[in-house]
Amino acid sequence: AQSVTQPDARVTVSEGASLQLRCKYSYSGTPYLFWYVQYPRQGLQLLLKYYSGDPVVQGVNGFEAEFSKSNSSFHLRKASVHWSDSAVYFCVLSGNNNAGAKLTFGGGTRLTVRP
Amino acid sequence: EAAVTQSPRNKVAVTGGKVTLSCNQTNNHNNMYWYRQDTGHGLRLIHYSYGAGSTEKGDIPDGYKASRPSQENFSLILELATPSQTSVYFCASGGGGEQYFGPGTRLTVL
Repeated sequence: AQSVTQPDARVTVSEGASLQLRCKYSYSGTPYLFWYVQYPRQGLQLLLKYYSGDPVVQGVNGFEAEFSKSNSSFHLRKASVHWSDSAVYFCVLSGNNNAGAKLTFGGGTRLTVRP
Repeated sequence: EAAVTQSPRNKVAVTGGKVTLSCNQTNNHNNMYWYRQDTGHGLRLIHYSYGAGSTEKGDIPDGYKASRPSQENFSLILELATPSQTSVYFCASGGGGEQYFGPGTRLTVL
């Protein structure tokens, strides 16, 4: 069985502050990990992905995430947030990258950026 | 750019009625998916498809049917809608973790 836990349901930060959104996964094999973002009244959009190699991966809009096998984590970071980053962020796990692979979603973290 | 559209965007149905949610993709992806999103649950997979004519059960298929008549179209069917099926439904296309999502359909079953 595989699972994803995002321990913080809500996070509030001030504009310009740094950000870390936490993600822990449980999976016995090699995980494929993703962060998706959902803006209000929209579908999910892919921010970044990790398949293998360098544990730090870069995404769109200045986001990055770091994979840690020892900690079973894939935390999302941003050095300086903007008000437009306010959204819900989902950490997602797949057991493979093949066609037909199913995704396991975390519960999401709602980020609010104060002006 | 990848495009997944859903119709209707909002739907109010009565208990026991039939509801059909439609999804169209122009990405030429073989795989398509239907999810529902409820507070505290993230997204949960209802049905998916590997291509025209195929449908597979996801994690929560009970009370739902799916139909994939063509590469582009994938429908979710609620034969006898119940209030517990009130939710936001997302369609996606793609493969592996890179899935492209539609804007969602908000369904309310009274």
